[in-house]
Amino acid sequence: SQTIHQWPATLVQPVGSPLSLECTVEGTSNPNLYWYRQAAGRGLQLLFYSVGIGQISSEVPQNLSASRPQDRQFILSSKKLLLSDSGFYLCAWGQGTTSYEQYFGPGTRLTVT
Amino acid sequence: QKEVEQNSGPLSVPEGAIASLNCTYSDRGSQSFFWYRQYSGKSPELIMFIYSNGDKEDGRFTAQLNKASQYVSLLIRDSQPSDSATYLCAADGGGSYIPTFGRGTSLIVHP
Repeated sequence: SQTIHQWPATLVQPVGSPLSLECTVEGTSNPNLYWYRQAAGRGLQLLFYSVGIGQISSEVPQNLSASRPQDRQFILSSKKLLLSDSGFYLCAWGQGTTSYEQYFGPGTRLTVT
Repeated sequence: QKEVEQNSGPLSVPEGAIASLNCTYSDRGSQSFFWYRQYSGKSPELIMFIYSNGDKEDGRFTAQLNKASQYVSLLIRDSQPSDSATYLCAADGGGSYIPTFGRGTSLIVHP
């Protein structure tokens, strides 16, 4: 069966510090991978998605970036965090071009102070 | 701009009642629709998907789709306090890799 991992689970970082969040998927190959952010009481905001190694599409211009160094690894980064970057960061995976179900990781709760 | 609209609620129902959650979508190109349950502080969990007009039943859950009206619903029979959560409706990307999520409806089932 497929499993998706995210770490860390929680993170408190000062403004201006760097960020690296990691997501890995097990039990499938060539997944589509997604990074979402959910602010408190808000809906899901798609940040990045990737359909293959090294292929990243950005949905929202901001100070975040994403990379996919391996088939089942997706990394979200920032060089300098802003207060507005606080939120619940969710990684999700889906499969193929005709299946749109997404399966979410446990999430990382980021607080920027 | 593709949109999925949901009433934010909260929808409050007594234990044992039927909870009815609804959403509408804007993109007629969308063919598949999904319901996710999100407990407070947790990540969304896929609970139902539907591709064809009509009803699809899975245990206490029934998803309903009406493509002509661009309307999707989720019925939860015999609601339990453990069903209290936010329910997210999503539509496929109509040919893209990007689904469209609604903002969710908060459901409260009180004993």
